[in-house]
This record gives sequence, C-alpha cells and structure tokens, in this order.
Amino acid sequence: GAGVSQTPSNKVTEKGKYVELRCDPISGHTALYWYRQSLGQGPEFLIYFQGTGAADDSGLPNDRFFAVRPEGSVSTLKIQRTERGDSAVYLCASSLLAGGKETQYFGPGTRLLVL
Amino acid sequence: QQPVQSPQAVILREGEDAVINCSSSKALYSVHWYRQKHGEAPVFLMILLKGGEQKGHDKISASFNEKKQQSSLYLTASQLSYSGTYFCGTEIDSGYALNFGKGTSLLVTP
Repeated sequence: GAGVSQTPSNKVTEKGKYVELRCDPISGHTALYWYRQSLGQGPEFLIYFQGTGAADDSGLPNDRFFAVRPEGSVSTLKIQRTERGDSAVYLCASSLLAGGKETQYFGPGTRLLVL
Repeated sequence: QQPVQSPQAVILREGEDAVINCSSSKALYSVHWYRQKHGEAPVFLMILLKGGEQKGHDKISASFNEKKQQSSLYLTASQLSYSGTYFCGTEIDSGYALNFGKGTSLLVTP
C-alpha cells in the first residue's frame, strides 16, 4: 500500500518568505508527527496530531511555525518569515494509533533551503 | 532528553558483527530503532518496550535494559545493505513523540 507522502520534495525560498509543506499520511492512521532533521543530526520533534487536534506542539521552535490537520488526514506545516536557520529536511510520520507500542512510518521528507 | 548513541561511526567488513548502543539519562517507556540511507526516509527496524525485552528478526536484534536505561542493537553477519545511519528514538513517560539520538553511521565494505 501507499506510504507517507510529502510535497514538495524540495523547496528553495528566500529569507522572509512564507512556505507550506504538505504531508499525506498512510490511510487510516490517526496519529501524525512532524520532525525536522538538520545535516548530521537525528530527527527533532516539532508537533504531533491525534486526529484533527494538535496533541503536543512543544517542539515548535517559535510562533513562526504552525501546523494544521483540518480533516484528520492531510497535514500542512506552515512557516512564516523564513530564516536561513530554518533550512533542513522536514519529515512527517504517521502511526495507526498514538502510543509507545505504535510504529511511526516516515515519509521521504521535504528539503527546505532558505537563501 | 536526547539519547546518546555510541559509537558515532563504524566500518565493517561484510560478514562482521556490530553493536550500537543508545543510552538515556531519563527513564524510558520505549525505544524505537530506525535505519536511514542518505537522502531517504528513516526505515523502521523494531520497537522495544519497558520490561527488558529482546527482539530480533533476520540477523538484526536488540535488547532493552530498563534499569540501565539503555538499548543495544546487534547486527550479525553484516551485509552491504546494512550500510546507513542508525538512529534510536526514545519515548519518555508515554509522551508519544520520539527523541532521537545523533545517529551511528555504519559502513559495510566488501
């Protein structure tokens, strides 16, 4: 079956611009996670959704970052007034349910470059 | 809260064994192991839950020592396809989000 998909695969933008990154989870998965991965580092947690609501957004670095999941499926990560330090690979993962026993399946990521 | 992985990097000849360790300063609820190849998504290997269990499939297995708050991944008779970066993700107090280590880079040579 189809895995987690993310679009675009690459995004180049200029400092100060607004970007949207999209995640399509595995069908039927209720939990969705956003992570950010910088070069040579492990994924860093940003936000997690259970259904339509953000259950934990403690990883969002500041109020320029926002994410939504209006219908409990597709999610969009929104970054306002982008900065060069936002350049990273943004990974999305989904799991059937939330919880420690659940496998998180990752998408291929969106590579964001802020010039 | 980020777990510490060791070693940072390892080079093996095909057929050799390797152990990758993951340690946390906090009590763990679960440990998730992933392998990531360059430019690709992390691929799930296995989950270990509190209770000190061991798991394995094929020639890759792992253990979870709750008392020591650490997990180890064992790769036996390594294959070229095992090359990549291995990450452990730890879940603290059933908080659902994973905290990942910096990764262990593994290169298997012919």
